[in-house]
Amino acid sequence: GNSVTQMEGPVTLSEEAFLTINCTYTATGYPSLFWYVQYPGEGLQLLLKATKADDKGSNKGFEATYRKETTSFHLEKGSVQVSDSAVYFCARIFGNEKLTFGTGTRLTIIP
Amino acid sequence: EPEVTQTPSHQVTQMGQEVILRCVPISNHLYFYWYRQILGQKVEFLVSFYNNEISEKSEIFDDQFSVERPDGSNFTLKIRSTKLEDSAMYFCASSEADRGLGLAKNIQYFGAGTRLSVL
Repeated sequence: GNSVTQMEGPVTLSEEAFLTINCTYTATGYPSLFWYVQYPGEGLQLLLKATKADDKGSNKGFEATYRKETTSFHLEKGSVQVSDSAVYFCARIFGNEKLTFGTGTRLTIIP
Repeated sequence: EPEVTQTPSHQVTQMGQEVILRCVPISNHLYFYWYRQILGQKVEFLVSFYNNEISEKSEIFDDQFSVERPDGSNFTLKIRSTKLEDSAMYFCASSEADRGLGLAKNIQYFGAGTRLSVL
């Protein structure tokens, strides 16, 4: 079936640390892949996306590369800020189907 | 920037009561969705809606649930008789559709959610 497996949290980092949140997906067809972010008390916001193999999505210093060979879409940021504290969700979609989300990773950045 | 709006932000109800959660999708979008997130758990798909009918629904979306687009702007989720386990954050989303092919362009834009508390 369609699924997304995401690194479990919570993750706590110091400001300016390097961030990686792992995400892998099941390889049914050629899905589009997304990272959504949920800031405290808010809804889901699209952070970045990639629609085909080797695409790199990027936004606000975050990056993720669609790796078909490893079926992965890991989220990275070189230097995190306190304002990056949120829950991050990896998700996939194929065609006009529903989004399938990972379990979410809570990230806390301490000054 | 256009956004999906949901009302109310928090709804408290007694078990067995009916609730209606409201959403105003982005105006030129044609695909609409409801998802829910039970506290501390993953976001789960409930239903998708296109061309005035349900296009897909999950096993969660049983006979107690219904969706409606009563006019050109609103999209509602009704729970006929709420249960304790319906307590969750409910998210509405919408996406643009390629009119030629009828396929969503894959980016779903979410509202801020309605927190439903069933007592």
